[in-house]
Amino acid sequence: ETGVTQSPTHLIKTRGQQVTLRCSSQSGHNTVSWYQQALGQGPQFIFQYYREEENGRGNFPPRFSGLQFPNYSSELNVNALELDDSALYLCASSLDVGGTNEQFFGPGTRLTVL
Amino acid sequence: TQLLEQSPQFLSIQEGENLTVYCNSSSVFSSLQWYRQEPGEGPVLLVTVVTGGEVKKLKRLTFQFGDARKDSSLHITAAQPGDTGLYLCAGAKVGSGNTGKLIFGQGTTLQVKP
Repeated sequence: ETGVTQSPTHLIKTRGQQVTLRCSSQSGHNTVSWYQQALGQGPQFIFQYYREEENGRGNFPPRFSGLQFPNYSSELNVNALELDDSALYLCASSLDVGGTNEQFFGPGTRLTVL
Repeated sequence: TQLLEQSPQFLSIQEGENLTVYCNSSSVFSSLQWYRQEPGEGPVLLVTVVTGGEVKKLKRLTFQFGDARKDSSLHITAAQPGDTGLYLCAGAKVGSGNTGKLIFGQGTTLQVKP
């Protein structure tokens, strides 16, 4: 069974640029959630995708957008990067929405905005 | 608004000591998960509790869900240096429109010195 994978592992961008982060869900999981984790903080929910549709969104501006593909992999896109976007971006997959909400996390992408 | 408060935020103890980490909220959760995170890595799921009053044991770790499903605790017996890491609690809220969003506490950084 393959776990959650994310790419790239590290990324450095400058203010105003755009970035795309990628996630492959765990085998058999159809739901992907994205979280932002600032240094020294707990992860903050960005949004969730279930069967290719957005299924809930946290308190993040529209310049944070996403996609889920038929194979349940997912992308997180961030436009017009700001310095405060520097964080660890985590992808988590789960078997389905609801239930116990057990989510399994990837290793994350460390984004640095200069 | 931080819906899940973890305490303490930092804990530095000697090998062999016992410790308890608390996760408190005024909100009711349908389930609560505990994760452990190493620096630069994604959180790893330790346990999920779903029933009020539930107690689960994982080797030297004991997890309890409060009777009202508003709080939880993690107790570690005879801590070892390998227990060092960031411990995160995360809850899924009850109610309509449950999207599977996890609400995280700010984490407890544990250092176990040999």
